[in-house]
Amino acid sequence: ETGVTQTPRHLVMGMTNKKSLKCEQHLGHNAMYWYKQSAKKPLELMFVYSLEERVENNSVPSRFSPECPNSSHLFLHLHTLQPEDSALYLCASSQDFGASYGYTFGSGTRLTVV
Amino acid sequence: QQQVKQSPQSLIVQKGGISIINCAYENTAFDYFPWYQQFPGKGPALLIAIRPDVSEKKEGRFTISFNKSAKQFSLHIMDSQPGDSATYFCAASMTAGGFKTIFGAGTRLFVKA
Repeated sequence: ETGVTQTPRHLVMGMTNKKSLKCEQHLGHNAMYWYKQSAKKPLELMFVYSLEERVENNSVPSRFSPECPNSSHLFLHLHTLQPEDSALYLCASSQDFGASYGYTFGSGTRLTVV
Repeated sequence: QQQVKQSPQSLIVQKGGISIINCAYENTAFDYFPWYQQFPGKGPALLIAIRPDVSEKKEGRFTISFNKSAKQFSLHIMDSQPGDSATYFCAASMTAGGFKTIFGAGTRLFVKA
């Protein structure tokens, strides 16, 4: 285990469904992130939380809604998604907001929208 | 200004050979340059990183070469092994004054046995 745990590992959902992705870290890190990874594209930053406060929303459609109830947990709530939203969704954490020692990533949730 | 250009997109190397992956950045405010290794079904894992006050950093078979004036940095994998077959991402971070990390598009490395 990398220290960042994501569930579920795989998710298939219809365009009208509502689902949530969960991320948990017990590394004592102060910042948590959601990234989207699509084939042959750079990692796309979606949201950044620092000390449970959202500090960045990278022009993400409102059908993605993050939640950070405490410094160890991060959720991504999904509703009315589109097929183009199918991708690997990665959660990451870092010691500090500037990621000056890099990220620790989870293994991701492979999302398929049908 | 915000791109990190990574090349090549894919690389095939014989076992025992040297794998070289290159990245170029534009913004001189970046001050932390990590490389991540990703195996299928896993998230990226931090492999090695460098800060701009040094020109080279070595950890085992992995070396980062950093050229500040050219705004380029590269990953060298010496004595490449089949177990090194993975996707490698470079990144550039601004660690102070707000958050910014930009990733390269990735290089898929295959080491032939």
